[in-house]
Amino acid sequence: DQQVKQNSPSLSVQEGRISILNCDYTNSMFDYFLWYKKYPAEGPTFLISISSIKDKNEDGRFTVFLNKSAKHLSLHIVPSQPGDSAVYFCAASDGGATNKLIFGTGTLLAVQP
Amino acid sequence: DAGITQSPRHKVTETGTPVTLRCHQTENHRYMYWYRQDPGHGLRLIHYSYGVKDTDKGEVSDGYSVSRSKTEDFLLTLESATSSQTSVYFCAIRPRDRSTEAFFGQGTRLTVV
Repeated sequence: DQQVKQNSPSLSVQEGRISILNCDYTNSMFDYFLWYKKYPAEGPTFLISISSIKDKNEDGRFTVFLNKSAKHLSLHIVPSQPGDSAVYFCAASDGGATNKLIFGTGTLLAVQP
Repeated sequence: DAGITQSPRHKVTETGTPVTLRCHQTENHRYMYWYRQDPGHGLRLIHYSYGVKDTDKGEVSDGYSVSRSKTEDFLLTLESATSSQTSVYFCAIRPRDRSTEAFFGQGTRLTVV
């Protein structure tokens, strides 16, 4: 049972345009959400996060939106750059004593020059 | 770099042999995690630890065991390796509570032949 879902395995965007990556979750106990970026042969690196008490968090070209009622979050990258081409993972934390992070299946973003 | 070292970085082993992967951290963080990454499945949690000798199972723990006898080391053991355990394994640490990101190691590529 996949608690965090990324339904788009891949996305192709032109350089300079907006990239929108989506993520859905099923567990209403999740209270902290994160996006990670992964290049081949490297470990995932943290990109941006959002607490469930907020609906938006912005960091430079990256903005994450959270819609709790829909159990949906999205990552917007504006403007997209070729160096943004990577796999993006959405993750959610269930809090509690163990701080587990549950990840989605990832979306491969390709930014075309 | 959050002071995480995974070893070995690459390993080829035969079916039925035991294998141990090591995750070493230098910053005395409490929470440590083992994930595996497979195409179409994203990052799946195998086991995690919330302190010395405190460990628990994740989503895909069958065939794996862990030990944490010191804060800095978290070992993942495949008791009897199978081809289905061919994967890339990532260790992660999380510095504090649920409102912080996890940092990942560089990964270990394991091939079971």
